[in-house]
Amino acid sequence: SQQGEEDPQALSIQEGENATMNCSYKTSINNLQWYRQNSGRGLVHLILIRSNEREKHSGRLRVTLDTSKKSSSLLITASRAADTASYFCATVPRIPNAGGTSYGKLTFGQGTILTVHP
Amino acid sequence: NAGVTQTPKFQVLKTGQSMTLQCAQDMNHEYMSWYRQDPGMGLRLIHYSVGAGITDQGEVPNGYNVSRSTTEDFPLRLLSAAPSQTSVYFCASSYSTLAGITYNEQFFGPGTRLTVL
Repeated sequence: SQQGEEDPQALSIQEGENATMNCSYKTSINNLQWYRQNSGRGLVHLILIRSNEREKHSGRLRVTLDTSKKSSSLLITASRAADTASYFCATVPRIPNAGGTSYGKLTFGQGTILTVHP
Repeated sequence: NAGVTQTPKFQVLKTGQSMTLQCAQDMNHEYMSWYRQDPGMGLRLIHYSVGAGITDQGEVPNGYNVSRSTTEDFPLRLLSAAPSQTSVYFCASSYSTLAGITYNEQFFGPGTRLTVL
């Protein structure tokens, strides 16, 4: 089953514009990660945000996390044609059990396809 | 460092054939995993390993076997290929775990594109 769901499924913008992608998830998490995949290539890790963090930055990337809404967003500022790729969110879900709390395996969403036109 | 390497890049099999997808990493990572990627399905976890000699099933393990005899290598075996196993397969590794949980970023290989006729 899919823990994370990205929105929109596809996004097309002009170079220089900002791109915002959203991720919603179903259960509590330990952390949430964003990955990029260029066509025909493997995934590349972009940023990790833990459940006790609300915002992280890395270069032109900004990630926010709202655990009350179970959602995250990835903002790419001043986009470039080279940012054209698929972007995936992935979560480490928290699994409550009788003895305490354990965590599940990293679970990926279906991704957002971003196209940046020069 | 080469990172995570996978071979072959492409493979075509006939139904019923068996084969092994190779994965190796040179980062001394404890955690290694196999995913398959299908259109509209994202990545789904097949099997994973938290260290040499220890493996466990993921979300979609049927039809696949794994073993982990060394820290570096984590091969995926298809026992009797079926058309439903046509997919792109990714191997990934991570440098630390806690009870098998991927708290940290994963490093992915370039993938193997498998077609089963």
